[in-house]
Amino acid sequence: AQKVTQAQTEISVVEKEDVTLDCVYETRDTTYYLFWYKQPPSGELVFLIRRNSFDEQNEISGRYSWNFQKSTSSFNFTITASQVVDSAVYFCALSSEKWDGNKLVFGAGTILRVKS
Amino acid sequence: DGGITQSPKYLFRKEGQNVTLSCEQNLNHDAMYWYRQDPGQGLRLIYYSQIVNDFQKGDIAEGYSVSREKKESFPLTVTSAQKNPTAFYLCASSMTSGRFSEQYFGPGTRLTVT
Repeated sequence: AQKVTQAQTEISVVEKEDVTLDCVYETRDTTYYLFWYKQPPSGELVFLIRRNSFDEQNEISGRYSWNFQKSTSSFNFTITASQVVDSAVYFCALSSEKWDGNKLVFGAGTILRVKS
Repeated sequence: DGGITQSPKYLFRKEGQNVTLSCEQNLNHDAMYWYRQDPGQGLRLIYYSQIVNDFQKGDIAEGYSVSREKKESFPLTVTSAQKNPTAFYLCASSMTSGRFSEQYFGPGTRLTVT
């Protein structure tokens, strides 16, 4: 079964705190891709990162970092020194080489609220 | 500016009426997608199209129909057969020349059926 689980339904932090959003995936395929998207209140999903199954190097982009661990089937997302503008719904998604059409399977999302 | 346009932002319909949601992209992308988002749930794929005049059902296609007569346009019709049509609908597109290329999303249409 192909599945993405985001166990944290909602997280609230105070500005400048670090926060980690968890993502656990299930797939039997050996070649797959993982994604993170941000959905601000406006509704449009914004692409953040894509990671393939053969690249377990952590990635950092400004205040954002991602930790991919195949051993635990996890692709966690950390925001350092959070800001109010980070408030959004964050989705983790999975795509497999074997799927037709570049399809994505999404997790249920994590609502992040950053308070000033 | 390049992007995906969905109109209108909010749409209201009476039960039993068909309604068509618009999606236009000027990114020259080959593939286009329709997703449905319900509160507390992730996005679920309704239909997708990899090329003009071709489309495939996603996970929840029942009660929906699409067409792809032009590369730029992928309208979605919510028919009266859809039992729970009230939801947020998102259109996306991606290049298919590169495998696993990311999908770009439009601003969405919130449909309310009463």
